[in-house]
Amino acid sequence: GQQLNQSPQSMFIQEGEDVSMNCTSSSIFNTWLWYKQDPGEGPVLLIALYKAGELTSNGRLTAQFGITRKDSFLNISASIPSDVGIYFCAGLSGYALNFGKGTSLLVTP
Amino acid sequence: DSGVTQTPKHLITATGQRVTLRCSPRSGDLSVYWYQQSLDQGLQFLIQYYNGEERAKGNILERFSAQQFPDLHSELNLSSLELGDSALYFCASSVMSRGDTDTQYFGPGTRLTVL
Repeated sequence: GQQLNQSPQSMFIQEGEDVSMNCTSSSIFNTWLWYKQDPGEGPVLLIALYKAGELTSNGRLTAQFGITRKDSFLNISASIPSDVGIYFCAGLSGYALNFGKGTSLLVTP
Repeated sequence: DSGVTQTPKHLITATGQRVTLRCSPRSGDLSVYWYQQSLDQGLQFLIQYYNGEERAKGNILERFSAQQFPDLHSELNLSSLELGDSALYFCASSVMSRGDTDTQYFGPGTRLTVL
């Protein structure tokens, strides 16, 4: 599958801070997805993006589909302790999801 | 709760053995996907089935096989197990077979440990 470069690898922030993470690819995707995974659980879909340039929000989460279709970012505003987890970007290519390596987020009260 | 169920949650076995992982998709979903998650490789697509037919293959070893039954549940069979097969195995489901707007929903996973 295609390699997605996700950064940062980890973040350690205080409650209330905003968070930004991004994903880039050498390949074009027609759909970008952001998932969150808690320990021992499956990835949970946060936001799906279907059009280049699209900006979509889900509560405190905002994600954008890059104009080039080779990148996406996810912002979390006013972080809370339950935001802790691993966030994955994924690009949909044909049938399969290609995942980034994940951003591990730690939030201290 | 995504609506995708997987059993068992944990599986411990020995090298050389064969195991079967089971997945039931969300109600109404016709497609099932299998993924492997390991520390070094991350989440990797293995195989997809749509309405009983194999649709796409990813990084699936020849020792692994899958099938989707008429009731749409799917099984992933792993044989001649090696230590390196220890990983989390996820099943995901979606409505369609393909489509750039086809969202996949993941089950809770099966953690396989090969000793």
